[in-house]
Amino acid sequence: AQKVTQAQTEISVVEKEDVTLDCVYETRDTTYYLFWYKQPPSGELVFLIRRNSFDEQNEISGRYSWNFQKSTSSFNFTITASQVVDSAVYFCALSEDPGNTPLVFGKGTRLSVIA
Amino acid sequence: DTAVSQTPKYLVTQMGNDKSIKCEQNLGHDTMYWYKQDSKKFLKIMFSYNNKELIINETVPNRFSPKSPDKAHLNLHINSLELGDSAVYFCASSQDKEKPAEEAFFGQGTRLTVV
Repeated sequence: AQKVTQAQTEISVVEKEDVTLDCVYETRDTTYYLFWYKQPPSGELVFLIRRNSFDEQNEISGRYSWNFQKSTSSFNFTITASQVVDSAVYFCALSEDPGNTPLVFGKGTRLSVIA
Repeated sequence: DTAVSQTPKYLVTQMGNDKSIKCEQNLGHDTMYWYKQDSKKFLKIMFSYNNKELIINETVPNRFSPKSPDKAHLNLHINSLELGDSAVYFCASSQDKEKPAEEAFFGQGTRLTVV
């Protein structure tokens, strides 16, 4: 069975601090895909990144970076120099076959960035 | 300015009723989707439409029917609602049907509660 655990329910940081959101996953498949989504207060889901299980290279996009480590089954998300607009719920998700099998979501981490 | 908008945001209704959820996108995208997110956070693809043509139809009960009057709209009609239909339903759209559906733009979701 697949499972995604986001142990941090809520995090509060002061603006300009760096923050890391943890994601640990379980799957028996050797091929799988990992995702991060942002859900701002307005409610919509915003796709941030998709990573397949064969690509362990870390990724950086502006202030966002992701650290994928198969050895620890983790796919952590770091926001550098956080801003108030980063305040949202962030979801980590896992799928064996995107588009054909369901995405398994974690319960989300609510990030509050305080000015 | 909302890219993908769904109405209503909340819907409470009795078993056996028929209801519709509307979705509109102003992005000029060719493909739209409906997802169901259950209490365990599974996000399952229900339908997708590309240029008014159904291209994905997962094992969804035929009580659910998507209706697309034009490529900017994909409404979800549900007949004879059951308690198990209670969930959050997300609409999404994407420009490139070849890209995984998870990389779509999502609406804010409609929380349906059947009592």
